[in-house]
Amino acid sequence: DAGVIQSPRHEVTEMGQEVTLRCKPISGHNSLFWYRQTMMRGLELLIYFNNNVPIDDSGMPEDRFSAKMPNASFSTLKIQPSEPRDSAVYFCASSFSTKETQYFGPGTRLLVL
Amino acid sequence: ELKVEQNPLFLSMQEGKNYTIYCNYSTTSDRLYWYRQDPGKSLESLFVLLSNGAVKQEGRLMASLDTKARLSTLHITAAVHDLSATYFCAVDGSGTYKYIFGTGTRLKVLA
Repeated sequence: DAGVIQSPRHEVTEMGQEVTLRCKPISGHNSLFWYRQTMMRGLELLIYFNNNVPIDDSGMPEDRFSAKMPNASFSTLKIQPSEPRDSAVYFCASSFSTKETQYFGPGTRLLVL
Repeated sequence: ELKVEQNPLFLSMQEGKNYTIYCNYSTTSDRLYWYRQDPGKSLESLFVLLSNGAVKQEGRLMASLDTKARLSTLHITAAVHDLSATYFCAVDGSGTYKYIFGTGTRLKVLA
């Protein structure tokens, strides 16, 4: 299995631009998680999907952030407009179910100038 | 609110030495996970501990769980340089799906 796939791996953009991060979970996993990692705040859960349905988006920092999962094999996290404080590594993770081990993708390193 | 604390935050140790990383959590939890993260890389699952007294071992790493004390330990035996990484524990709150991650312990093993 290829594991969780994320793209792009690196993104550099200017403040105010729209950024879209993509994730393909492990086949057969029905739970998908988006995390953000920074030095200051550590690992934070942004949003969680179960069977393609957003269950909890309480970790999404503000309305500039949105996430979708149109099917079982694809999810996006969008930031519009982006700000320098959004600079972080964004991880996608998936699991067989909500109570199983989460497997993390390689992450997208985002830099907003 | 579930809180997870790790200590130490930083650990520098000589090869061949033993050491323990501690993970304390504040409320009842169903499971406890240990992950490893190499610099600039993703998180790799090491162990999942499911019940009180659970012990898991892989190579030079051994993890244990005491649910009564709300404490998990990650013991490193005869450390080698390849173990240098950041180690995270994560706990999911009882009845929830959310992982709450500890702050991480940055381990550096000196040759």
